[in-house]
Amino acid sequence: SQTIHQWPATLVQPVGSPLSLECTVEGTSNPNLYWYRQAAGRGLQLLFYSVGIGQISSEVPQNLSASRPQDRQFILSSKKLLLSDSGFYLCAWSRVAGEAFFGQGTRLTVV
Amino acid sequence: GQNIDQPTEMTATEGAIVQINCTYQTSGFNGLFWYQQHAGEAPTFLSYNVLDGLEEKGRFSSFLSRSKGYSYLLLKELQMKDSASYLCAVFTGGGNKLTFGTGTQLKVEL
Repeated sequence: SQTIHQWPATLVQPVGSPLSLECTVEGTSNPNLYWYRQAAGRGLQLLFYSVGIGQISSEVPQNLSASRPQDRQFILSSKKLLLSDSGFYLCAWSRVAGEAFFGQGTRLTVV
Repeated sequence: GQNIDQPTEMTATEGAIVQINCTYQTSGFNGLFWYQQHAGEAPTFLSYNVLDGLEEKGRFSSFLSRSKGYSYLLLKELQMKDSASYLCAVFTGGGNKLTFGTGTQLKVEL
C-alpha cells in the first residue's frame, strides 16, 4: 500500500532563518507531487507541483522554492523566512487525474 | 488561470440535507474532486466526477455539469461529525495540476 510521510508536524522558526520541509512517498512510482499552503480557515493554495524528477511547476511568486531530487521525494525550502510564510503546509501525491493523498501537514509559525 | 468558488460558510440542522455548490472557470478540465477536512487535519477524499451527472456514495452525492462549470456536494441525514470544511478541487494540465477552491465551512447544529 502507498503511504506518504511529511515532517515535522510543527515548526517554530525565527524570521530570516532557512526552511526545509521534506515529503516522501512509499509504495508507488512516478507520482505527481504537490505542496499546498493553507491559512487559517481558508482553502488550499497550490504552491508547487511536480510530474517527475527535477520537474517543478511554480504557481505563485513567493519566498519559497521546491525540489524533487528523487522520484518519491519532494522538498520545500526557503533561504530566509518571512512572517507571512506562517501557515499549514501540506504535501500530497496522486496519479494523473487521480485521488490525492495527503501527508499529515506541517504547522509552521514564523516568529 | 484557475478560479474555483464556493460559499465561505453554511449552517444546517442535524438530520437535514445540505447542498454545497462549487463553480469553476479553468483552462481545461480533467476531473473534479470533493474533500472533507476537519480542523488541523489533512483533507480526506469524498467523491470524484469526470462526466456529467450524479455520483452517489452513501450519505454523500456529487453532481457535475461541465458545460456550466458547476458541481455540488449533497450531504443527507446530517450528523454532528459532518461539521467540517468541504473543499472542491479541479484537475487541469492533462490531469497533473490539482487546484482547490476556497472551501466551505459547514456547521451542523442540533
